[in-house]
Amino acid sequence: QVQLVESGGGVVQPGRSLRLSCVASGFTFSNYLMHWVRQAPGKGLEWVAFISYDGSEKDYADSVKGRFTISRDNSKNTLYLQMKSLTAEDTAMYYCARLDTAMVTSFCNYGMDVWGQGTTVTVSS
Amino acid sequence: QSVLTQPPSVSGTPGQRVTISCSGSSSNIRSTYVFWYQQLPGTAPKLLMYRNDQRPSGVPDRFSGSKSGTSASLAISGLRSEDEADYYCAACDDSLSGWVFGGGTKLTVL
Repeated sequence: QVQLVESGGGVVQPGRSLRLSCVASGFTFSNYLMHWVRQAPGKGLEWVAFISYDGSEKDYADSVKGRFTISRDNSKNTLYLQMKSLTAEDTAMYYCARLDTAMVTSFCNYGMDVWGQGTTVTVSS
Repeated sequence: QSVLTQPPSVSGTPGQRVTISCSGSSSNIRSTYVFWYQQLPGTAPKLLMYRNDQRPSGVPDRFSGSKSGTSASLAISGLRSEDEADYYCAACDDSLSGWVFGGGTKLTVL
C-alpha cells in the first residue's frame, strides 16, 4: 500500500545537526513533489520545506531557511531533511507528505494526500 | 501567531451542524485555494478538503468547504463522535512563498 515512513529523529543538543529520512513505498516516488511539515508539542502544523519531483526546485519556511536542507534520492525512494544549528524551537514531530498529484511543480493547487507517521525531534541540553 | 486565523475550539452534539472558520488575507486565501486537514488524536493529518470545496475519495459528504474573499469555512453536518479531532486550514501565501496553516480548531462532540 501507499506508505511513507520517517526515521532519524531523536534527542539532540542545541547547535547540533540531525538528518531525517522518509522512505516511500507503494507508488512511483520519483513522480511526486514532497513536503516536510512539523508540529511542535501541543501546537499546530508548520510547513517546513518542499522539493520538486526531480529535485530541481526547493523552498523553505523562513524559520528554517539557511539551516535546513531538503533533498531526495529517487533511486532509493527516499526523502531527506538535513537540519543544522538546531534550537529548542525546532523541537517537533516531523512529517513527510506527498503532493496529491504526480508530475506537477507548482504545489499551491494541490494538497498533501499521504503522510508518514512522523518522527520526533527533541532539541535539549 | 498563525497567518491563518481559526477559532481554537468548537463543539456540538451528535447530529448537529458545526462550522469552522478560517480567516486570511489577499496574499493567501483570496488569491489561491484553501485546503483542510483533519488530525485525529495521536495520528498524522489527513487531507479532508482540497481546492476550497472538493472532497477526496472516502471523505463523507457530511463535510463541505467554501471560500469567499479572504475567508474560508468547513462545515460538518450530522456530527458524529468520530469527528472529534483537530482541523486545520491551509493555503499558499504569495508573500511567504510557501504554505501557511491555521492554528487549528479542536472539535469536541458533546
